[in-house]
Amino acid sequence: QQQVKQSPQSLIVQKGGISIINCAYENTAFDYFPWYQQFPGKGPALLIAIRPDVSEKKEGRFTISFNKSAKQFSLHIMDSQPGDSATYFCAASGSRGGADGLTFGKGTHLIIQP
Amino acid sequence: DTGVSQDPRHKITKRGQNVTFRCDPISEHNRLYWYRQTLGQGPEFLTYFQNEAQLEKSRLLSDRFSAERPKGSFSTLEIQRTEQGDSAMYLCASSLMGMNTEAFFGQGTRLTVV
Repeated sequence: QQQVKQSPQSLIVQKGGISIINCAYENTAFDYFPWYQQFPGKGPALLIAIRPDVSEKKEGRFTISFNKSAKQFSLHIMDSQPGDSATYFCAASGSRGGADGLTFGKGTHLIIQP
Repeated sequence: DTGVSQDPRHKITKRGQNVTFRCDPISEHNRLYWYRQTLGQGPEFLTYFQNEAQLEKSRLLSDRFSAERPKGSFSTLEIQRTEQGDSAMYLCASSLMGMNTEAFFGQGTRLTVV
């Protein structure tokens, strides 16, 4: 049973455009929602994270929107650049805001076309 | 470099052999996690330690897998009698304990069982 569903599986965006990746979760005990960026052959790198006490968090060109009632959250990448081309994973955990035992989505392969 | 370090980066082994991987977490982090990632999938949680105590093990961690963190610093993950299905990227992550913590991943060890 997949507890975090991520879409789309792949995404092509023109340089300067907005990339949007969506995730939905089932477990209402989840209370920590990070996004990771992964380049080929590398480990995942933490990009941005949100906790359910806020509905939006912005860091530079990256924004997480969180909808607790719908059990959905999304990543927006503004002014997308070729260097943003990577695989993005959403994740969730339910350890009272910590990072224990993250459940990951299946990933979105993002390509930014110059 | 003060990030999470994993060794080796790549390992090719014959089916039936034992392999051991090492992870050195960020020095002040008392929590250490092991994940497994197969091609095209998100990381899957295997187990985690708080200091030297192994607090949780996933059902994915079969009897052939064993993890240790003897002095609460580095950790080892051993796979006995490897099978082709064990081929994957094994990722280690670490974090501080507490509610407002983030997990940081190493580069991973790519295991190929032939």
